[in-house]
Amino acid sequence: GAVVSQHPSWVICKSGTSVKIECRSLDFQATTMFWYRQFPKQSLMLMATSNEGSKATYEQGVEKDKFLINHASLTLSTLTVTSAHPEDSSFYICSGGLAGPYEQYFGPGTRLTVT
Amino acid sequence: DAKTTQPTSMDCAEGRAANLPCNHSTISGNEYVYWYRQIHSQGPQYIIHGLKNNETNEMASLIITEDRKSSTLILPHATLRDTAVYYCIVRSDNQGGKLIFGQGTELSVKP
Repeated sequence: GAVVSQHPSWVICKSGTSVKIECRSLDFQATTMFWYRQFPKQSLMLMATSNEGSKATYEQGVEKDKFLINHASLTLSTLTVTSAHPEDSSFYICSGGLAGPYEQYFGPGTRLTVT
Repeated sequence: DAKTTQPTSMDCAEGRAANLPCNHSTISGNEYVYWYRQIHSQGPQYIIHGLKNNETNEMASLIITEDRKSSTLILPHATLRDTAVYYCIVRSDNQGGKLIFGQGTELSVKP
């Protein structure tokens, strides 16, 4: 299957600072990229959908000004958690896919801890 | 997207077939059934998907009932490395591709 990478794999930051997470599709061009968040012992929750060159579409309840998504190319999407707080500590996972009934490929995830 | 129902957890003996059921009684005609799994602290891994017909690949088989209201994922010879949370998701290809995850089934493969 296709490969999606994320960087960093884990990050610790202080409350009030911003953190950027990169998601790259290494061997395919992702028409669309998705960002998920997962709290311990819970399932993945979709945060937003991004298409290259256009604004991201956020799921209900997700603050677009707090979670900034940039999808500058078909192989790179970034998620910036602005003014992070301890409640933003979570496992953030991205995925990329092609249009149509095709599978999505997920990154390995980024563990964010806000102190 | 249609909602799915899966058992919370299942056990399977190593080397035996693992049969994971999924109920999707409200599935629409243009919705596919996808299966993913997530090993602890990793990103989900695609397993298989299908529309109407049964499907098989190197990882698993997917059996979809004729009325499409339920399906079963079969891991033919489970190994300890198959221990994971398995997610059954239904999705139409006009929903922008997004996957909505339920709670999944936690499969424990035991020696």
